[in-house]
Amino acid sequence: EDKVVQSPLSLVVHEGDTVTLNCSYEVTNFRSLLWYKQEKKAPTFLFMLTSSGIEKKSGRLSSILDKKELSSILNITATQTGDSAIYLCAVRENYGGSQGNLIFGKGTKLSVKP
Amino acid sequence: NAGVTQTPKFRILKIGQSMTLQCAQDMNHNYMYWYRQDPGMGLKLIYYSVGAGITDKGEVPNGYNVSRSTTEDFPLRLELAAPSQTSVYFCASRLSASTDTQYFGPGTRLTVL
Repeated sequence: EDKVVQSPLSLVVHEGDTVTLNCSYEVTNFRSLLWYKQEKKAPTFLFMLTSSGIEKKSGRLSSILDKKELSSILNITATQTGDSAIYLCAVRENYGGSQGNLIFGKGTKLSVKP
Repeated sequence: NAGVTQTPKFRILKIGQSMTLQCAQDMNHNYMYWYRQDPGMGLKLIYYSVGAGITDKGEVPNGYNVSRSTTEDFPLRLELAAPSQTSVYFCASRLSASTDTQYFGPGTRLTVL
Protein backbone atom coordinates (compact mmCIF):
# COMPACT_ATOMS: atom_id res chain seq x y z
CA GLU A 1 0.00 0.00 0.00
CA ASP A 2 1.05 3.62 -0.45
CA LYS A 3 3.15 4.95 2.37
CA VAL A 4 2.82 8.59 1.32
CA VAL A 5 -0.60 9.84 0.27
CA GLN A 6 -1.26 13.29 -1.11
CA SER A 7 -4.60 14.99 -1.50
CA PRO A 8 -6.20 16.28 -3.51
CA LEU A 9 -4.62 14.79 -6.63
CA SER A 10 -5.59 17.85 -8.62
CA LEU A 11 -6.90 21.27 -7.85
CA VAL A 12 -8.00 24.26 -9.93
CA VAL A 13 -8.14 27.70 -8.34
CA HIS A 14 -8.16 31.34 -9.43
CA GLU A 15 -5.41 33.85 -8.91
CA GLY A 16 -5.53 35.29 -5.43
CA ASP A 17 -7.03 32.19 -3.83
CA THR A 18 -5.38 30.43 -0.91
CA VAL A 19 -4.78 26.69 -1.24
CA THR A 20 -3.87 23.92 1.16
CA LEU A 21 -2.23 20.74 -0.04
CA ASN A 22 -2.13 17.68 2.17
CA CYS A 23 0.36 14.89 2.68
CA SER A 24 -0.06 11.97 5.05
CA TYR A 25 2.50 9.26 5.66
CA GLU A 26 2.87 5.90 7.25
CA VAL A 27 6.48 4.92 7.89
CA THR A 28 8.14 3.00 10.68
CA ASN A 29 10.83 5.43 11.76
CA PHE A 30 10.19 8.93 10.48
CA ARG A 31 13.13 11.23 9.90
CA SER A 32 12.02 14.03 7.56
CA LEU A 33 9.35 15.18 5.14
CA LEU A 34 10.23 17.14 2.02
CA TRP A 35 8.13 19.21 -0.37
CA TYR A 36 9.12 19.70 -4.00
CA LYS A 37 7.63 21.82 -6.77
CA GLN A 38 7.66 20.38 -10.27
CA GLU A 39 6.90 22.54 -13.23
CA LYS A 40 7.48 21.14 -16.71
CA LYS A 41 10.87 19.79 -15.73
CA ALA A 42 12.82 18.63 -12.71
CA PRO A 43 11.42 18.76 -9.18
CA THR A 44 12.89 21.65 -7.22
CA PHE A 45 13.24 21.58 -3.45
CA LEU A 46 10.91 23.75 -1.36
CA PHE A 47 11.01 22.73 2.29
CA MET A 48 12.24 20.06 4.62
CA LEU A 49 10.43 19.41 7.91
CA THR A 50 11.74 17.39 10.81
CA SER A 51 10.96 16.86 14.46
CA SER A 52 13.14 19.86 15.26
CA GLY A 53 11.78 22.03 12.47
CA ILE A 54 8.06 21.53 12.11
CA GLU A 55 7.19 24.81 10.42
CA LYS A 56 8.80 26.51 7.45
CA LYS A 57 7.87 29.63 5.51
CA SER A 58 9.13 31.25 2.36
CA GLY A 59 7.21 34.17 0.95
CA ARG A 60 3.67 33.05 0.16
CA LEU A 61 4.45 29.39 0.81
CA SER A 62 4.42 27.77 4.22
CA SER A 63 4.39 24.24 5.52
CA ILE A 64 3.66 22.57 8.83
CA LEU A 65 4.42 19.07 10.06
CA ASP A 66 2.01 17.36 12.43
CA LYS A 67 3.89 14.38 13.85
CA LYS A 68 0.92 13.33 15.94
CA GLU A 69 -1.34 13.11 12.90
CA LEU A 70 1.50 11.85 10.65
CA SER A 71 0.80 14.53 8.11
CA SER A 72 1.90 17.81 6.64
CA ILE A 73 0.22 20.67 4.84
CA LEU A 74 1.60 23.06 2.27
CA ASN A 75 -0.16 26.42 2.13
CA ILE A 76 0.06 28.87 -0.72
CA THR A 77 -1.53 32.27 -0.19
CA ALA A 78 -2.46 34.80 -2.90
CA THR A 79 -1.83 32.23 -5.62
CA GLN A 80 -0.34 33.30 -8.95
CA THR A 81 -0.34 31.56 -12.33
CA GLY A 82 3.34 30.82 -11.74
CA ASP A 83 2.34 28.57 -8.85
CA SER A 84 0.81 26.13 -11.34
CA ALA A 85 2.80 22.93 -10.93
CA ILE A 86 2.79 19.47 -9.45
CA TYR A 87 3.66 19.54 -5.76
CA LEU A 88 5.40 16.42 -4.52
CA CYS A 89 5.66 15.26 -0.95
CA ALA A 90 8.38 12.80 0.08
CA VAL A 91 9.26 11.14 3.36
CA ARG A 92 12.57 9.78 4.54
CA GLU A 93 12.90 7.14 7.21
CA ASN A 94 15.89 6.97 9.48
CA TYR A 95 18.83 5.07 8.04
CA GLY A 96 17.99 1.39 7.85
CA GLY A 97 14.40 2.03 6.84
CA SER A 98 14.03 2.05 3.04
CA GLN A 99 17.82 2.49 3.03
CA GLY A 100 17.25 6.14 3.83
CA ASN A 101 15.71 6.73 0.41
CA LEU A 102 12.87 9.15 -0.20
CA ILE A 103 9.37 7.73 -0.58
CA PHE A 104 7.29 9.95 -2.84
CA GLY A 105 3.57 10.53 -2.98
CA LYS A 106 1.78 10.78 -6.32
CA GLY A 107 1.71 14.56 -6.21
CA THR A 108 -0.96 17.24 -6.31
CA LYS A 109 -1.42 19.01 -9.63
CA LEU A 110 -2.28 22.65 -8.98
CA SER A 111 -3.66 24.82 -11.77
CA VAL A 112 -4.06 28.53 -11.12
CA LYS A 113 -6.37 30.32 -13.56
CA PRO A 114 -5.96 34.05 -14.27
CA ASN B 1 28.36 24.17 -10.69
CA ALA B 2 26.22 22.55 -13.36
CA GLY B 3 24.48 20.43 -10.70
CA VAL B 4 22.90 17.26 -12.06
CA THR B 5 22.94 16.91 -15.83
CA GLN B 6 21.19 14.34 -18.02
CA THR B 7 21.43 13.40 -21.65
CA PRO B 8 19.60 13.05 -23.92
CA LYS B 9 16.56 15.27 -23.27
CA PHE B 10 14.32 13.23 -25.57
CA ARG B 11 14.59 9.88 -27.26
CA ILE B 12 12.36 7.58 -29.28
CA LEU B 13 13.25 3.90 -29.31
CA LYS B 14 11.85 0.96 -31.15
CA ILE B 15 10.80 -2.15 -29.23
CA GLY B 16 13.84 -4.31 -28.56
CA GLN B 17 16.42 -1.57 -28.96
CA SER B 18 18.83 -0.66 -26.19
CA MET B 19 20.14 2.64 -24.94
CA THR B 20 21.97 4.31 -22.09
CA LEU B 21 20.69 7.37 -20.29
CA GLN B 22 23.55 9.47 -18.99
CA CYS B 23 23.64 11.24 -15.65
CA ALA B 24 26.45 13.26 -14.13
CA GLN B 25 26.82 15.50 -11.11
CA ASP B 26 29.61 17.87 -10.16
CA MET B 27 28.70 18.41 -6.51
CA ASN B 28 30.77 15.50 -5.17
CA HIS B 29 27.61 13.81 -3.92
CA ASN B 30 27.94 10.24 -2.75
CA TYR B 31 24.36 9.15 -3.35
CA MET B 32 22.76 9.00 -6.78
CA TYR B 33 19.33 7.85 -7.90
CA TRP B 34 17.33 6.98 -10.96
CA TYR B 35 13.57 7.53 -10.95
CA ARG B 36 10.87 7.13 -13.50
CA GLN B 37 7.75 9.26 -13.51
CA ASP B 38 4.54 8.18 -15.21
CA PRO B 39 1.54 10.53 -15.39
CA GLY B 40 -0.22 10.78 -12.05
CA MET B 41 2.09 8.24 -10.42
CA GLY B 42 4.74 10.29 -8.65
CA LEU B 43 8.36 9.16 -8.72
CA LYS B 44 9.30 5.50 -8.62
CA LEU B 45 12.84 4.55 -7.65
CA ILE B 46 14.59 2.33 -10.20
CA TYR B 47 18.15 2.03 -8.85
CA TYR B 48 20.36 3.92 -6.49
CA SER B 49 24.01 4.10 -5.53
CA VAL B 50 25.64 5.04 -2.24
CA GLY B 51 29.07 5.51 -3.75
CA ALA B 52 31.37 4.49 -6.57
CA GLY B 53 31.16 0.74 -7.14
CA ILE B 54 28.03 0.27 -5.03
CA THR B 55 24.55 0.05 -6.52
CA ASP B 56 21.26 -1.42 -5.39
CA LYS B 57 17.76 -2.00 -6.70
CA GLY B 58 14.88 0.28 -5.96
CA GLU B 59 11.18 -0.33 -6.33
CA VAL B 60 11.01 -0.95 -10.12
CA PRO B 61 14.39 -2.30 -11.36
CA ASN B 62 13.22 -4.84 -13.94
CA GLY B 63 14.44 -4.09 -17.45
CA TYR B 64 17.17 -1.72 -16.29
CA ASN B 65 20.81 -1.86 -15.26
CA VAL B 66 23.19 0.65 -13.72
CA SER B 67 26.85 1.06 -12.98
CA ARG B 68 28.80 3.55 -10.89
CA SER B 69 32.46 3.54 -11.79
CA THR B 70 33.06 7.12 -10.66
CA THR B 71 31.51 9.45 -8.09
CA GLU B 72 30.33 11.78 -10.86
CA ASP B 73 28.58 9.43 -13.29
CA PHE B 74 25.61 7.11 -12.93
CA PRO B 75 24.37 5.79 -16.29
CA LEU B 76 21.11 3.85 -16.65
CA ARG B 77 21.01 1.11 -19.25
CA LEU B 78 17.82 -0.11 -20.91
CA GLU B 79 18.15 -3.46 -22.60
CA LEU B 80 15.43 -4.70 -24.96
CA ALA B 81 13.19 -1.64 -24.66
CA ALA B 82 9.48 -2.25 -24.15
CA PRO B 83 6.48 0.13 -24.44
CA SER B 84 6.06 -0.12 -20.64
CA GLN B 85 9.35 1.77 -20.32
CA THR B 86 7.87 4.85 -21.95
CA SER B 87 8.27 7.41 -19.21
CA VAL B 88 10.18 10.44 -18.01
CA TYR B 89 13.41 9.51 -16.27
CA PHE B 90 15.00 11.65 -13.59
CA CYS B 91 18.42 11.32 -12.08
CA ALA B 92 19.02 12.78 -8.62
CA SER B 93 21.83 13.06 -6.12
CA ARG B 94 22.35 13.85 -2.47
CA LEU B 95 25.47 14.55 -0.53
CA SER B 96 25.64 11.86 2.14
CA ALA B 97 23.73 9.57 4.47
CA SER B 98 23.22 12.42 6.94
CA THR B 99 21.64 14.80 4.42
CA ASP B 100 18.09 14.46 3.17
CA THR B 101 17.62 16.78 0.20
CA GLN B 102 17.92 15.27 -3.24
CA TYR B 103 18.73 17.44 -6.25
CA PHE B 104 17.26 16.47 -9.59
CA GLY B 105 18.44 16.61 -13.16
CA PRO B 106 16.24 17.99 -15.96
CA GLY B 107 14.93 14.60 -17.03
CA THR B 108 14.88 12.45 -20.16
CA ARG B 109 11.60 11.84 -21.94
CA LEU B 110 11.70 8.36 -23.48
CA THR B 111 9.13 6.90 -25.84
CA VAL B 112 9.24 3.25 -26.89
CA LEU B 113 7.22 2.43 -29.99
